[in-house]
Amino acid sequence: GENVEQHPSTLSVQEGDSAVIKCTYSDSASNYFPWYKQELGKGPQLIIDIRSNVGEKKDQRIAVTLNKTAKHFSLHITETQPEDSAVYFCAARGTSYGKLTFGQGTILTVHP
Amino acid sequence: DAGVIQSPRHEVTEMGQEVTLRCKPISGHNSLFWYRQTMMRGLELLIYFNNNVPIDDSGMPEDRFSAKMPNASFSTLKIQPSEPRDSAVYFCASGEWMETQYFGPGTRLLVL
Repeated sequence: GENVEQHPSTLSVQEGDSAVIKCTYSDSASNYFPWYKQELGKGPQLIIDIRSNVGEKKDQRIAVTLNKTAKHFSLHITETQPEDSAVYFCAARGTSYGKLTFGQGTILTVHP
Repeated sequence: DAGVIQSPRHEVTEMGQEVTLRCKPISGHNSLFWYRQTMMRGLELLIYFNNNVPIDDSGMPEDRFSAKMPNASFSTLKIQPSEPRDSAVYFCASGEWMETQYFGPGTRLLVL
């Protein structure tokens, strides 16, 4: 089955800096890669996603890049703000239709 | 839309008791997923349904766990008998088949 590795497990940045979280996946047939943000006591919330026919997608301060050859994808947050502090999860959908496999999560802390 | 609705939000029970978690998916979504989140194991997919039919229950840990989806607007996850190691946050998510999954707020379960 699909295996997703996420790094780093924790990330601390100063407000205004950029943050990058990286994930690798194992199933070359995977075709959908969402990113979720989870705040304390809440469910994961989708923040951006990308499909295998696209190399990059941007939404305001958030961008995701996908390298299908290397089987990795990354989340980029620019001009970080304290409210960006949360746990971020990457996920990949492989050949098991509908099933997402999640990374282990990254705790992002943005210091004012 | 109200989003995915889960009840109860918190449940404290004693070992051996039956626990029933409930989920109302977003109207119009035909896929429903049950996840369990713990610090040790992260987000695990337990079971998912498409058009009310279970597609993959390979993530259900033991026979003590069962899930049903009697109609498009309601699903239950039952644990009988419950054990302390079942303590976790249980999330329900819904989506359109092969598309984005939207998570509910979760049920925090503590088995004493």
